[in-house]
Amino acid sequence: GAVVSQHPSRVICKSGTSVKIECRSLDFQATTMFWYRQFPKKSLMLMATSNEGSKATYEQGVEKDKFLINHASLTLSTLTVTSAHPEDSSFYICSARGSWGGYTEAFFGQGTRLTVV
Amino acid sequence: DAKTTQPPSMDCAEGRAANLPCNHSTISGNEYVYWYRQIHSQGPQYIIHGLKNNETNEMASLIITEDRKSSTLILPHATLRDTAVYYCIVRARSLIQGAQKLVFGQGTRLTINP
Repeated sequence: GAVVSQHPSRVICKSGTSVKIECRSLDFQATTMFWYRQFPKKSLMLMATSNEGSKATYEQGVEKDKFLINHASLTLSTLTVTSAHPEDSSFYICSARGSWGGYTEAFFGQGTRLTVV
Repeated sequence: DAKTTQPPSMDCAEGRAANLPCNHSTISGNEYVYWYRQIHSQGPQYIIHGLKNNETNEMASLIITEDRKSSTLILPHATLRDTAVYYCIVRARSLIQGAQKLVFGQGTRLTINP
């Protein structure tokens, strides 16, 4: 299947700082990317959907000013957690989907574990 | 998207077939059944999907009942590496933004025992 790479895989930051997570599609062009958050022993919760070159669509209850999403190219989307606090500690996962010729399946990155201290 | 119901956990012996059920009684005619799995601390991995016919690939088989209200994912010869949370998701296939998103339920935690 197609490869989606996230970086970093693990990050620890101080409370009040911002953290940027990158999501890259390595062998296909991702016109749509999705960002999920997962707390321990819980399922994945969709945060937002982004299309290349346009603003992200956030799910209800997700603060767009806190979780900044940029999808500037067909192979890269970034999620920036601004002014991070301990409650933002979580496992963040991106998913990418291409759109060549029709429907494609979503492929997921390996996830980024964020710990805010 | 239609909701799905899965047992929270299952056990299976290594080398045996693992059969994971999923109920989706409110599925619509244009909705597909997708299966993903998530191994601990990794991103989800696509397994298989189907509409109404049974499907098979190198990873698993998907059996969908004739009324499409339930399905079963079959791992024919389970190994220890198949221990994961398995998610059954029902979704319409669409090129419309937003309609493409995958909404995850709680899934089934499958443990393969030696």
